[in-house]
Amino acid sequence: QKEVEQNSGPLSVPEGAIASLNCTYSDRGSQSFFWYRQYSGKSPELIMSIYSNGDKEDGRFTAQLNKASQYVSLLIRDSQPSDSATYLCAVNTPSGNTGKLIFGQGTTLQVKP
Amino acid sequence: GAVVSQHPSRVICKSGTSVKIECRSLDFQATTMFWYRQFPKQSLMLMATSNEGSKATYEQGVEKDKFLINHASLTLSTLTVTSAHPEDSSFYICSAPAPGGRGPQHFGDGTRLSIL
Repeated sequence: QKEVEQNSGPLSVPEGAIASLNCTYSDRGSQSFFWYRQYSGKSPELIMSIYSNGDKEDGRFTAQLNKASQYVSLLIRDSQPSDSATYLCAVNTPSGNTGKLIFGQGTTLQVKP
Repeated sequence: GAVVSQHPSRVICKSGTSVKIECRSLDFQATTMFWYRQFPKQSLMLMATSNEGSKATYEQGVEKDKFLINHASLTLSTLTVTSAHPEDSSFYICSAPAPGGRGPQHFGDGTRLSIL
């Protein structure tokens, strides 16, 4: 079993719809969870951090964390064509304090006009 | 916010050349930095963890003599691809974790390496 799992997609949604991206992780000791957006040919860009159970909203983005189910998700409301990218879920490694993250393989999102 | 600067952004060179890539944390100190490689349409692959003042920790399957890492100061890590060959052509990205250990990693803009 992979440590951080995402559906590779592509996930295709029409413009204006809600895009829902999901991620599961295997290490129950993980405490920090991140969503990055990566456009083709560019490096990843941090869009959300979440550390406690529940929802965290920032503009059109909402991150949801459920530690009991080992599940973290990202909702994008009013999806725009400019949201088309690969979204990477990342989870911290509980052992040590190096800042090392485990990344999922990413989900490709396509928002169609 | 935390900024990581990576240079150069693009390198094109002949086979057999050694290429050095620099990664700097501009407004914070980083005792640890990370180097990733990403082939087209594939996921990020962690190559190694760069440790200030000590040897880098390489992931399984990554040749340490091929990919030399130096982390001589709290704000600078370098990756040298020695005697590069066409199969080393890839997108190399560095990152530095936010101070404290629980925060996100901040990425440089990446270096696109093309070996002819």
